[in-house]
Amino acid sequence: GDSVTQMEGPVTLSEEAFLTINCTYTATGYPSLFWYVQYPGEGLQLLLKATKADDKGSNKGFEATYRKETTSFHLEKGSVQVSDSAVYFCALSSRGDDKIIFGKGTRLHILP
Amino acid sequence: ETGVTQSPTHLIKTRGQQVTLRCSSQSGHNTVSWYQQALGQGPQFIFQYYREEENGRGNFPPRFSGLQFPNYSSELNVNALELDDSALYLCASSLFTGHNEQFFGPGTRLTVL
Repeated sequence: GDSVTQMEGPVTLSEEAFLTINCTYTATGYPSLFWYVQYPGEGLQLLLKATKADDKGSNKGFEATYRKETTSFHLEKGSVQVSDSAVYFCALSSRGDDKIIFGKGTRLHILP
Repeated sequence: ETGVTQSPTHLIKTRGQQVTLRCSSQSGHNTVSWYQQALGQGPQFIFQYYREEENGRGNFPPRFSGLQFPNYSSELNVNALELDDSALYLCASSLFTGHNEQFFGPGTRLTVL
């Protein structure tokens, strides 16, 4: 079945460092891909999405590119802030299927 | 525009009891999905409701059931609670079935003792 694998955390970085969180997926067909973020004590928020190959999703300085050839959707940010500390989930949803399949999440700590 | 709301925020039950969790969908949304998020894990799809009918179900036993009301709000019911049911339960609403951008509520934290 469809699945998402993302790098395990926690990831600890200093403020202004470059961030990459790796995500790969397995799916039949051409899924939509998402990154969700969960801040402490809050629900999930959609951070960005891409619906077809080579699409780049971006929001709040975060970017991810839908790479069909490597079945990847890595999350990047050029300069992280303390406020980016949260848990990040890579996810997919296959066409015609209403459920979202999530990875296990990667906890990110940004040190001032 | 009102976002997705859930109640209660926290709940403590004992093994064998039954629980009902509630969700109000975002204004204009007619589809509600429920997810279970165990500690340290990603959310897992329980089921989805569209037009008051179950429209897809994940790998959860029948003691997990739900309802959707004419105003598109929804309930998740869990019977015969087990310790492993302790989790954060998330409700998500979407504009219509097949539209896979879902908007999540803050969740209900259920603890089963």
